[in-house]
Amino acid sequence: GAVVSQHPSWVICKSGTSVKIECRSLDFQATTMFWYRQFPKQSLMLMATSNEGSKATYEQGVEKDKFLINHASLTLSTLTVTSAHPEDSSFYICSASGRRQGMRQFFGPGTRLTVL
Amino acid sequence: GNSVTQMEGPVTLSEEAFLTINCTYTATGYPSLFWYVQYPGEGLQLLLKATKADDKGSNKGFEATYRKETTSFHLEKGSVQVSDSAVYFCALRPLDGGYNKLIFGAGTRLAVHP
Repeated sequence: GAVVSQHPSWVICKSGTSVKIECRSLDFQATTMFWYRQFPKQSLMLMATSNEGSKATYEQGVEKDKFLINHASLTLSTLTVTSAHPEDSSFYICSASGRRQGMRQFFGPGTRLTVL
Repeated sequence: GNSVTQMEGPVTLSEEAFLTINCTYTATGYPSLFWYVQYPGEGLQLLLKATKADDKGSNKGFEATYRKETTSFHLEKGSVQVSDSAVYFCALRPLDGGYNKLIFGAGTRLAVHP
């Protein structure tokens, strides 16, 4: 139980376009979802936290207008990278937690974004 | 602020060798401490955790003890297997995190050879 999926697993896009990444909790209701960014050989950096039905809380230094997060349902959150540039190329990971899971976060497998 | 520092990898060991991956942290109060493991192509999985000083977390032969005096949470295993090859992340959940925030270290890649 407590499986989290991400789609797509990898994506290549042209500079200036927007890319949407989906994060789904497959077998539980995720009241809270988290989005992380991971650079090569570096730690996961929390970008934002979203609660279902409310606006995301962004970490300091993360541009909320560039990284749009929507958590419209208890099983789906989306991260949209708007007007992507090569410096946005990274590995994006989501995690989810629900009331029945206590405070434990369950992680998706990640999405590799490459912006040309 | 809150931060986690763990030893740089990669760590390369032969099967049945003893493993130690060092992790130290900076935080106020008594944060909860975690080790996560990421196998190739998979998401991070919780390996073990400890929520208060002197607690020992253990799972799958791995152990880590919450040492408040040295602000450490080193991961150990007495005899590694090839299947333990993965990236290991140390993390903390601060008391003032809100929303269940986790702070991660940079990760340590472990490669175990037969």
